[in-house]
Amino acid sequence: QQQVKQSPQSLIVQKGGISIINCAYENTAFDYFPWYQQFPGKGPALLIAIRPDVSEKKEGRFTISFNKSAKQFSLHIMDSQPGDSATYFCAASMTGNTPLVFGKGTRLSVIA
Amino acid sequence: DSGVTQTPKHLITATGQRVTLRCSPRSGDLSVYWYQQSLDQGLQFLIQYYNGEERAKGNILERFSAQQFPDLHSELNLSSLELGDSALYFCASSPLSRAAEQYFGPGTRLTVT
Repeated sequence: QQQVKQSPQSLIVQKGGISIINCAYENTAFDYFPWYQQFPGKGPALLIAIRPDVSEKKEGRFTISFNKSAKQFSLHIMDSQPGDSATYFCAASMTGNTPLVFGKGTRLSVIA
Repeated sequence: DSGVTQTPKHLITATGQRVTLRCSPRSGDLSVYWYQQSLDQGLQFLIQYYNGEERAKGNILERFSAQQFPDLHSELNLSSLELGDSALYFCASSPLSRAAEQYFGPGTRLTVT
């Protein structure tokens, strides 16, 4: 049972464009939703995270939008750059020291 | 650099063998998580330790075991290795003050031949 569904599997965006990756979750007990960025040969790096008490969080060019009623959240990368080309994972967990449940990942390619 | 270290970086071994992967969490982090990343299954949680005690178990095979030592470093032991165990193995640690945030190490790439 996949508890966090992520789409699309791959994404090609022009430099300067907006990259949008979507995730949906099933378990309403989840209350922490991070996004990780992974470059080839590296470990996942925490990018940005949100809790259900806010509908949007922005850090630089990265924004998470959260829809609690739909059980969906998304990552927007504004002004996408070739250096943003990586695999992005959404995840979810419950309060405290609990394991992350990951989506399957989205491979983003930003082309000039 | 997340501050989490893992050794070795690469490991090549034969089927039936046993290997040990090592992880040192960030300074002060008490929680250590182990994850397996494969092409078909994505990132899957294996096991969690908190201050030396097992805290949670995921889809970890009986052939796999782990422990966390008093200095908080952790080891993941994989035995009777099969071809399907070839994957990237990551450990992550989280701080007490922000327990939900997990910081990943660079991983160990295991190849079973």
